[in-house]
Amino acid sequence: QQQVKQSPQSLIVQKGGIPIINCAYENTAFDYFPWYQQFPGKGPALLIAIRPDVSEKKEGRFTISFNKSAKQFSLHIMDSQPGDSATYFCAASMDGTASKLTFGTGTRLQVTL
Amino acid sequence: ETGVTQSPTHLIKTRGQQVTLRCSSQSGHNTVSWYQQALGQGPQFIFQYYREEENGRGNFPPRFSGLQFPNYSSELNVNALELDDSALYLCASNEEDSEKLFFGSGTQLSVL
Repeated sequence: QQQVKQSPQSLIVQKGGIPIINCAYENTAFDYFPWYQQFPGKGPALLIAIRPDVSEKKEGRFTISFNKSAKQFSLHIMDSQPGDSATYFCAASMDGTASKLTFGTGTRLQVTL
Repeated sequence: ETGVTQSPTHLIKTRGQQVTLRCSSQSGHNTVSWYQQALGQGPQFIFQYYREEENGRGNFPPRFSGLQFPNYSSELNVNALELDDSALYLCASNEEDSEKLFFGSGTQLSVL
C-alpha cells in the first residue's frame, strides 16, 4: 500500500523557474515530512523537513508548504539552477522518528539553460 | 561526504545464494537504517537497529536480517536470493534524536 503519493513523475523547467513537486499522504499518524535530493550514483541527501505544527518552512531556495487538512505538502525551488537537476523524494514518518521513512516514488527534475 | 561508507559498491549473485552487505557509520551514530531502492522507485524501509538491537521493521520477509556492531558498523544479510531482490541497498545513520539522516551511496545488487 503506497502511503505517500508524489507527482509529477518528471519535470523540466528553465533556469530561474520555480519547479513545484507535490505529495499527498494517507496516514494521519505521520508527523515528520522531509524532502530528499538524490543525484545519480549517490544516496539521498536531506534538503528540508517540516513538522505539522507549521504551514511553511524556508531554507535558502527551498520552501515546503504544508496543508494538514488536505494531507498534502509540496516543495518549491526558487530560482532553479542546472545544478538542481536531480531526483527529489518526499517522505513521511511517525512517532517522532526521522529515520523510519516512507518515501514517495520520486520526481526527476531537469533544469535547462 | 556523508561519512557513511558502504561496501561493496556493486555485487552480482545467483538466485538462491546468500549475500552480506556492509556499512560503516559516523562515530556517535547509534541508529542505523537499511533501505531497498528498486530502479525508478523511492527507497523502501527494511529495518532499523538502535544500540545493536532491531528497532522496527518494514514489510520484508525474515530472510532479510541485520547486525549492528559497537564500532558503528553494520551488516545487511539476505538469504535465498530472489530475482526481485535486485536493487540498490542503502544504509543510513543518525545520532539519537537527530532529524539529520545521512545516507551512504549504496550497494547495487544484481541477482541473476
